[in-house]
Amino acid sequence: EAGVAQSPRYKIIEKRQSVAFWCNPISGHATLYWYQQILGQGPKLLIQFQNNGVVDDSQLPKDRFSAERLKGVDSTLKIQPAKLEDSAVYLCASSSIFLKDGTTGELFFGEGSRLTVL
Amino acid sequence: KQEVTQIPAALSVPEGENLVLNCSFTDSAIYNLQWFRQDPGKGLTSLLLIQSSQREQTSGRLNASLDKSSGRSTLYIAASQPGDSATYLCAVKTSGSRLTFGEGTQLTVNP
Repeated sequence: EAGVAQSPRYKIIEKRQSVAFWCNPISGHATLYWYQQILGQGPKLLIQFQNNGVVDDSQLPKDRFSAERLKGVDSTLKIQPAKLEDSAVYLCASSSIFLKDGTTGELFFGEGSRLTVL
Repeated sequence: KQEVTQIPAALSVPEGENLVLNCSFTDSAIYNLQWFRQDPGKGLTSLLLIQSSQREQTSGRLNASLDKSSGRSTLYIAASQPGDSATYLCAVKTSGSRLTFGEGTQLTVNP
């Protein structure tokens, strides 16, 4: 079974430029997450999708970050304009749903996209 | 707001030693708890998932326990090997499906 695919693996940009990251979750997984992991810290949730709808984007800096999952499968995370403090690894994860109580199951992560803002 | 703490932040042990990593959380109303492993420059690999109704899960040399009432989980690694060197993260899922991570324990197993 293919895992969560992310691209690009590495990206270096100047501040105020824009960048986009792509994620393809595990086939059949309805829930997709984007996390930001700053060096030495645990991942922080940016946005969670259930199919193509947003479940939680309370920690997404909406003035510069946007994300979409138009067909309920793959997703794109965009940063525009980037700031120095956006330097981090952006992790995509997916999980299936336990239909009985609505909770989600085990999370599977991609390799991440490492962003450096100069 | 759920807060997750992992102790110690870093641990260095000789090969063959049994060890315990600790995870504590402030809100005991969790759906599940998951332990992950992260190698440098890599994504997270799921190790064990414990549902709120369970007390422990085992996989090979790994055993994770969960005590919801006290807000604690431990990850026990038996007969550690240099290949176990990595950062270990615990994460708890609460209402709304949000997963909250600890900051991780960086483990080094010396040959």
